[in-house]
Amino acid sequence: LAKTTQPISMDSYEGQEVNITCSHNNIATNDYITWYQQFPSQGPRFIIQGYKTKVTNEVASLFIPADRKSSTLSLPRVSLSDTAVYYCLVGDIPEGGGSARQLTFGSGTQLTVLP
Amino acid sequence: DAGVIQSPRHEVTEMGQEVTLRCKPISGHNSLFWYRQTMMRGLELLIYFNNNVPIDDSGMPEDRFSAKMPNASFSTLKIQPSEPRDSAVYFCASSLEYTRYSNQPQHFGDGTRLSIL
Repeated sequence: LAKTTQPISMDSYEGQEVNITCSHNNIATNDYITWYQQFPSQGPRFIIQGYKTKVTNEVASLFIPADRKSSTLSLPRVSLSDTAVYYCLVGDIPEGGGSARQLTFGSGTQLTVLP
Repeated sequence: DAGVIQSPRHEVTEMGQEVTLRCKPISGHNSLFWYRQTMMRGLELLIYFNNNVPIDDSGMPEDRFSAKMPNASFSTLKIQPSEPRDSAVYFCASSLEYTRYSNQPQHFGDGTRLSIL
């Protein structure tokens, strides 16, 4: 079971770069790492996904070290509208399907961006 | 493009009543997921379907919960009878086919906020 651990909360100021790290010591060989963002009263929204090294898109970067036991979501120059909960999800469906309970988002990180 | 559509957005009912939540996935997506979110337990996966077939429902809390996907464009989550502890926000999500070797990003609806009195 690829359980994830993230900080419960983080504060930042507008214009700063924010890095949120997720630990997933039991990640399996075929697991991808996916990050989601959730605003109040909305469903989670996909941000970025990666398998190894570095992935960058128009909103974020994802850094994954060689051992893949952790990953870091990097948000450049955050604004007030980036205040949200950020979830790290490590895909874990056993061979041939399996327990839905293993696909769990965890508690997430509440990021608060201050003016 | 239309996203995942859930209905109703809010539901308030008395315990013992049957509750039916509805979901329309994104066209072309063939995996569908039902989640429940509470403060205590976070976001939990209840069940997921691939190509309208339930892959595993071991996340469903009790026999009072059931989910169906009669076709590729519609799914329901039913609670009968409902209890106050079922109060939560229920999300539906869809993706391209989600397998162990293809962790496709999920697209979520805005959820149904369910309150059982």
